[in-house]
Amino acid sequence: GQQVMQIPQYQHVQEGEDFTTYCNSSTTLSNIQWYKQRPGGHPVFLIQLVKSGEVKKQKRLTFQFGEAKKNSSLHITATQTTDVGTYFCAGAGTGNQFYFGTGTSLTVIP
Amino acid sequence: AAGVIQSPRHLIKEKRETATLKCYPIPRHDTVYWYQQGPGQDPQFLISFYEKMQSDKGSIPDRFSAQQFSDYHSELNMSSLELGDSALYFCASSSSPGGFTEAFFGQGTRLTVV
Repeated sequence: GQQVMQIPQYQHVQEGEDFTTYCNSSTTLSNIQWYKQRPGGHPVFLIQLVKSGEVKKQKRLTFQFGEAKKNSSLHITATQTTDVGTYFCAGAGTGNQFYFGTGTSLTVIP
Repeated sequence: AAGVIQSPRHLIKEKRETATLKCYPIPRHDTVYWYQQGPGQDPQFLISFYEKMQSDKGSIPDRFSAQQFSDYHSELNMSSLELGDSALYFCASSSSPGGFTEAFFGQGTRLTVV
């Protein structure tokens, strides 16, 4: 079945440092979505990437979709304590489902 | 704005009992997904529905069944509960199938099997 892996699994950064999480799929994705889940909360949609090589920015967050549509990354510039949470990519293949990546748990040390 | 409503929020059941989780999607959303999330794990896709028909199946045990009703709400029925079924169960809805639009997640139902 489809597998979506993320690295790293955990990341601790000092406030103000940058952070990047990488998402890799075993199959080509039709699109990829990114979600953030705060501790004790539910996944909240951040963004969707559809086109090969697409780059989107949301303030300090930059999202990329690989040329082969099998990988993606999320980069946060100058992290803040409000960025704490687990970031999941979710890949849509064929059919009516999307598969979450393994997630990267971000801790920001003030 | 209306969000995805899940009930109950918390549920405690004994082994071998049954449980029913309910999900009310955002109005006019015709697609519902169910996910199971164990502690420290990523959400695992269970099953999805589009226009009241099952559209995809993931790692849903045979002891579980689900359906989407005429009003688009969905129920996840879980029988012969096992300790390993203890998890957070999320329902999500979207305005179109195939993962092409964002999914809105409910707050989840925390199931504890004792």
